[in-house]
This record gives sequence, structure tokens and C-alpha cells, in this order.
Amino acid sequence: ELKVEQNPLFLSMQEGKNYTIYCNYSTTSDRLYWYRQDPGKSLESLFVLLSNGAVKQEGRLMASLDTKARLSTLHITAAVHDLSATYFCAGKETSGSRLTFGEGTQLTVNP
Amino acid sequence: GAVVSQHPSRVICKSGTSVKIECRSLDFQATTMFWYRQFPKKSLMLMATSNEGSKATYEQGVEKDKFLINHASLTLSTLTVTSAHPEDSSFYICSARGGLRISTDTQYFGPGTRLTVL
Repeated sequence: ELKVEQNPLFLSMQEGKNYTIYCNYSTTSDRLYWYRQDPGKSLESLFVLLSNGAVKQEGRLMASLDTKARLSTLHITAAVHDLSATYFCAGKETSGSRLTFGEGTQLTVNP
Repeated sequence: GAVVSQHPSRVICKSGTSVKIECRSLDFQATTMFWYRQFPKKSLMLMATSNEGSKATYEQGVEKDKFLINHASLTLSTLTVTSAHPEDSSFYICSARGGLRISTDTQYFGPGTRLTVL
């Protein structure tokens, strides 16, 4: 059974700073997703990572995947207040279609 | 892009009543739909997976007689919370996985339904 762990669970940072959210998973996963959730809202898809070494960037967010280490990272560059949200990673087991979500990282960017 | 809708977005009901939540894929056919539950400040927990025309597969610990799922067509799945109680109050989110026309690799999430049971 796939297990997904994120850290940190809470992150408070200043605008302009850089930081990384980590997502470890327990067994083979053939794709790794990152989502953003604003309070009271559903999930917004950010990235899907399919292969070892995959790197994707959108604005101030960059996601990467290391399948050998079973680790994905979400790097935030020069944070701005608008990035404040909860970020989830989710893995999909190689067999089947179900997603297993991490606990989420609640990010607060302070002016 | 692929759009998934849910209705209603919010519902308040009395204890003991049943509530039906609809999940629709608006511009694609969804061979598989998923129902999640999310408590405040917690992660999403998968409740069940449903494939069109067949019975839903429930996750361990989810009462199938309490959470009735129907996936009668390729664009509609419903979740009925029967005899709801205050502990069923939660945010329910559906997602749909594409069949025809769009990638089957991605789940598209609905906007969620906030259920409050008094």
C-alpha cells in the first residue's frame, strides 16, 4: 500500500524567500501529482511528474521527482502572498488508478 | 479543459435525513469517478471508486450502506449520504478520470460539497 508523507506540514515564510516542500512515498508510484487548495475550495492541479528526473516549472513553483529516492519536491522561489495556500502531493500506485494524498503543507507567506 | 461540477455546493440538513450529491463531467466522458472526504485542515481520504455501470469499490472502513454511490452514466455519479448524522458533516469532493477524448492519466476534481448535518 502506497503511503505519502509531506514535510513540513506548516510553513510560514516571508515574501521574497525561497523554500522547499518535500514529499516522500513508500512504494513504487508511476506518477506524482502536486495540487493547491485554497480555503473552502477544491483542488487545483499544479504538476504531474511521470518519470525519474522530471522537472516542471510554472511561475515561482518548480516540482521535481526522484523515483530512486522516492522523493518529490516543490520549490518556491521568491515567495509572494498569493502563494499562501495548502499544497498536497499525491502518488498513484503503479497498478490501479487510486491516488494517495499526503497530509498537506499549509503555506503562509507574510508580507 | 476538462471540467467537473458538483451540486449542491453547500447543503445543510437535519439529522436522520438523506442527502444526494451529484458529480458531473461536463465536457468529457468519465469512465471512473472517485469520491473523497476531507475534514477541516486535513487531507483527502478516498471513500470509494466507481466505474460506470458497475458497483462502487469502497475503501476499508467506509460503510457502503451509508454512503450509496451510483455511476449510471459516463458523465454522472451520485453520492447519497443516508440517515445523516452530525459526524457526517464534511467536505465531499469528487473527481473524474477520463475515458474518451482526454488523458486517462489525470483526475479532474470537482469544486466540492460542504455538508453540514444539524
